[in-house]
Amino acid sequence: DAGVIQSPRHEVTEMGQEVTLRCKPISGHNSLFWYRQTMMRGLELLIYFNNNVPIDDSGMPEDRFSAKMPNASFSTLKIQPSEPRDSAVYFCASSLYQRENEQFFGPGTRLTVL
Amino acid sequence: DAKTTQPNSMESNEEEPVHLPCNHSTISGTDYIHWYRQLPSQGPEYVIHGLTSNVNNRMASLAIAEDRKSSTLILHRATLRDAAVYYCTLLSSNTGKLIFGQGTTLQVKP
Repeated sequence: DAGVIQSPRHEVTEMGQEVTLRCKPISGHNSLFWYRQTMMRGLELLIYFNNNVPIDDSGMPEDRFSAKMPNASFSTLKIQPSEPRDSAVYFCASSLYQRENEQFFGPGTRLTVL
Repeated sequence: DAKTTQPNSMESNEEEPVHLPCNHSTISGTDYIHWYRQLPSQGPEYVIHGLTSNVNNRMASLAIAEDRKSSTLILHRATLRDAAVYYCTLLSSNTGKLIFGQGTTLQVKP
C-alpha cells in the first residue's frame, strides 16, 4: 500500500484566496483525521470522520475552514478565504476504527499564505 | 481531555539505551497510551501503544506505571536514525481522538 497520500505537498497562495488540500486514506481504513501543525501550537486535531461521517469538528478554527469526505477514498480540507495565520503544515491520517488502533499519517501539506 | 507532560529535549549516545518519560496523571481508565515519533519534514509515525501492561515490539518497549499515571518509552539501542520528536499521546476510547503534547526532541550523538 502507498500509505496516506496528500496533495499538494507545498502550497503558496496569497491572502484571500481559496485553498483546497486533498487526502487519500489507506484503502480499507474507515477513520480519517485532519491535523494542523505549527511551532506555536504543535499538532492540533481539526476534524475527524468515521465511515465518511464527520464526528468531531470542534478543532476547526473558524467558519473559513471546511472539510468533506464524499467517499471512503477521498477527503478535502478547504480554507476560504485564507489568511497568513493559516500558514502551517496540514496532516491527514487514517486508521481502522477500533478503540486502540494506531493512526497512519501522510507526509503533510506545507501551506504558506502571503 | 487528559494531557501529557514530557521533557522538552533529551540527549543520548549512539548504541546506548534511551528512556523517554511521560506523565499523564489525569488519564482515564479507558484511555490508551500511544507513542509516535516525527522525523524531520515527515508526518508522525506510530511507535507503540498500551493500556495497562508493558509492551514490546520491534521498535521499542513501553513501560507503564501500575497506577497508569506515567509511562516510559524505551529504545534499547539508539541509532542516529532515531533522532526525532517523540510524542506521548492518549487515545480516548470514548472519542477516538489522539491528544498530542509538545513532545521530546531526542538528539543522538555518534
